[in-house]
Amino acid sequence: NAGVTQTPKFRILKIGQSMTLQCTQDMNHNYMYWYRQDPGMGLKLIYYSVGAGITDKGEVPNGYNVSRSTTEDFPLRLELAAPSQTSVYFCASSYFRDREIPTNEKLFFGSGTQLSVL
Amino acid sequence: AQTVTQSQPEMSVQEAETVTLSCTYDTSESDYYLFWYKQPPSRQMILVIRQEAYKQQNATENRFSVNFQKAAKSFSLKISDSQLGDAAMYFCAYRSRDDKIIFGKGTRLHILP
Repeated sequence: NAGVTQTPKFRILKIGQSMTLQCTQDMNHNYMYWYRQDPGMGLKLIYYSVGAGITDKGEVPNGYNVSRSTTEDFPLRLELAAPSQTSVYFCASSYFRDREIPTNEKLFFGSGTQLSVL
Repeated sequence: AQTVTQSQPEMSVQEAETVTLSCTYDTSESDYYLFWYKQPPSRQMILVIRQEAYKQQNATENRFSVNFQKAAKSFSLKISDSQLGDAAMYFCAYRSRDDKIIFGKGTRLHILP
């Protein structure tokens, strides 16, 4: 059981380049999230998805795009990379059924992607 | 929009002692979830404890317990019998009704031998 898999682990981009950060989970989780973590800081929510075909903006969505065509995959697209996007990016997933039904919900995180934009 | 505030950037505690990490949040919702996550140097995020807002009883997990004060919008984490392996960044997190999960800036905890 692989859990949440992020690729690549490291990447250096030049200003203005584009790239896609891949995220796949094999736990049949309905919720998926993208966060960025700047050095010594907390996690900032970029985008999230509550199921295939549904995405929504988080706290810092500018400069990013996402799609959720399948339950398993939630790629994050960076268009026109800028130095301000230098960060560690984490993908996470969880299974959340219903607020009326108690669960032991928790986020499962990938190992992160270290991105530098120079 | 909801916010999560951790006012202690760093804390230190002697091994085997007890330490309390603070977290406050701002929300107009009555139904939400709160979490504490731990991030060791490996960068892997680990759930420490969770609390449902509708539950009045404070959550506990072995040496970890919370003091949840809903009216005060406070959610502190108490670590008893601190161990060297507890050294990490600790993040408080809030899950809103629209399913966003937002994090505080974190508290770096040092364990002194």
